[in-house]
This record gives sequence, C-alpha cells and structure tokens, in this order.
Amino acid sequence: GNSVTQMEGPVTLSEEAFLTINCTYTATGYPSLFWYVQYPGEGLQLLLKATKADDKGSNKGFEATYRKETTSFHLEKGSVQVSDSAVYFCALSDRIKDTGRRALTFGSGTRLQVQP
Amino acid sequence: DTEVTQTPKHLVMGMTNKKSLKCEQHMGHRAMYWYKQKAKKPPELMFVYSYEKLSINESVPSRFSPECPNSSLLNLHLHALQPEDSALYLCASSLLRLNTEAFFGQGTRLTVV
Repeated sequence: GNSVTQMEGPVTLSEEAFLTINCTYTATGYPSLFWYVQYPGEGLQLLLKATKADDKGSNKGFEATYRKETTSFHLEKGSVQVSDSAVYFCALSDRIKDTGRRALTFGSGTRLQVQP
Repeated sequence: DTEVTQTPKHLVMGMTNKKSLKCEQHMGHRAMYWYKQKAKKPPELMFVYSYEKLSINESVPSRFSPECPNSSLLNLHLHALQPEDSALYLCASSLLRLNTEAFFGQGTRLTVV
C-alpha cells in the first residue's frame, strides 16, 4: 500500500535559519506529492505540490522537488520566520485499493517551532 | 471562491445524542471527503464521495453515517458515539482528475462526553 514517512519533530530553529523537513514515500502507482501546513486550531492548507518526477513545487519561500529515484519530496526554506511555526504534513495522492478513486495519504506530520 | 465551509466549529455531545456535521463547497468539485484527525496525528481518511455517490468507506463504524445530498453539500451524521471518537473532523473537496489537490475546511472539533 501507499505510505509516507516524515522526519520526527519537533524541529526547533531560530529565525532566519535554514529549514529542511525530510519526506519519503512508497507508492504502487505514479502519485502526486503535496506539502500541507496546519496552524494551531485550523484545518490544512496546501503549501505546494508536484505532479511528476523532477517537478519543483514552490510557494512563500518554501520549495520541494519530486525525486523519483530516491522516492523523496523534502521541504526546504532558506530563512524561516516565527510565523512559519506550524505542523507540516507531506502527502501523496494515489488510487485507493481497486476503486480507481484517489485520496490523500499523509505522513505523521512535523511540528516546526521558530524562535525569535 | 476557494473555501470549504464546515459547521459547527465546535461540538460537544453526549453518547446518546444524535448530531450532524455539515460541509459546503462551491468550487464545482465532484469529489468530497471526510477525514478524522486525533491530536498530534495526521488526518485519516473516513469516506470518499464521487459524483454524490459513496465510493470509499475506510471501515468506519456505523455510528458514523455520511450523506451527500447534492454536489455542494456533505454531511456526517453521528449517533451513539464513544469518547474515543473525540477528534477534529475535516471535510475536503477536489476535482475528479489526476494530480489535483484537495481543499480542506477548518474542521469541526468534536468532544464526546
């Protein structure tokens, strides 16, 4: 079955530090890959996505590249801010069982804490 | 309009109560989803509706009963819940095509007492 593995958190950084959150996946098909962010008490917001190998998704200074050879989709940001403090979920979209329907499978989430 | 709206935001219910969670979107999405999220855990898929028909039920207990009355609305009817069902319930919607993202609502924080 499909699965997503993320690095354990929390990740604690000082403001303006470089961020990397590792994500690797296992999938039987050709999934699309996503990063979602969840701020305290809120739902999930799409941060960025990539739909095929070597695609780079980017948004708000965050980037991730779809690496098929290493089955990875690591999230990076060059300079984090306090406002980036949140939980980040890596996810893949692929067919569920034999239904032909797609849904998201999430990693366990990584909490990021950015200190002033 | 890129919003998925969920009501209520918070709900406290007893184990003998019947309540419903509501979800609405006006993006023309024909796939809608219910996810359950426990504290410090990722969302877990419960149900998927495609063209208003239930297409996936991830072995969810019958005390959770989904309903999709039309292409914009999704309900989750709750009956005889247990305290361990307390969680954040997230609704999402998406286009029915490859490589598309899902849009999530803010969730309903459910507490069963």
